[in-house]
Amino acid sequence: EPEVTQTPSHQVTQMGQEVILRCVPISNHLYFYWYRQILGQKVEFLVSFYNNEISEKSEIFDDQFSVERPDGSNFTLKIRSTKLEDSAMYFCASSEMVYEQYFGPGTRLTVT
Amino acid sequence: RKEVEQDPGPFNVPEGATVAFNCTYSNSASQSFFWYRQDCRKEPKLLMSVYSSGNEDGRFTAQLNRASQYISLLIRDSKLSDSATYLCVVNGMRSQGNLIFGKGTKLSVKP
Repeated sequence: EPEVTQTPSHQVTQMGQEVILRCVPISNHLYFYWYRQILGQKVEFLVSFYNNEISEKSEIFDDQFSVERPDGSNFTLKIRSTKLEDSAMYFCASSEMVYEQYFGPGTRLTVT
Repeated sequence: RKEVEQDPGPFNVPEGATVAFNCTYSNSASQSFFWYRQDCRKEPKLLMSVYSSGNEDGRFTAQLNRASQYISLLIRDSKLSDSATYLCVVNGMRSQGNLIFGKGTKLSVKP
């Protein structure tokens, strides 16, 4: 069964550093998403991406965040200058149509 | 009112029990409804979409009441492997793609 993959599984970085989280969505899917989950809290939407552009973003997704689909398979989330409060699990998801989204295993980001 | 509200639980039930989870949502314009399950420190996994007519998948039955903005999930004949957090999810305000998650209801099935 095809699945979304994410790398790395765990990233530790210092405050102020840039990080890039990588995702390979399911191959025939057209819609891509990033969500985050702070420990003990609910899953929160960050951004959706379709046809090589952002289709929607949340208030969390400020100028420090960017997304890119650099080639036909990868989908990345960049955090330009990490803050302590960016520590969370980041999930990539993809969907064939808009509705049913399938999530990757996540990248645990720890900012020290 | 929170966008998606769920009883946090935990629900502690014996194997074989029937358990029901409820969820309410605030956006009357929501069109898409889902139940996901999440194991500890893992990703949300799609359990089932919820349709207006109600739908069943094996031991799982989901129902939607649009008038009351209420979604339910019934699990029959609980298994140990059903132990997880069950997330009620609806689409967001501005589009279908932005999913709004509830905090989840924790289920623990005991032998």
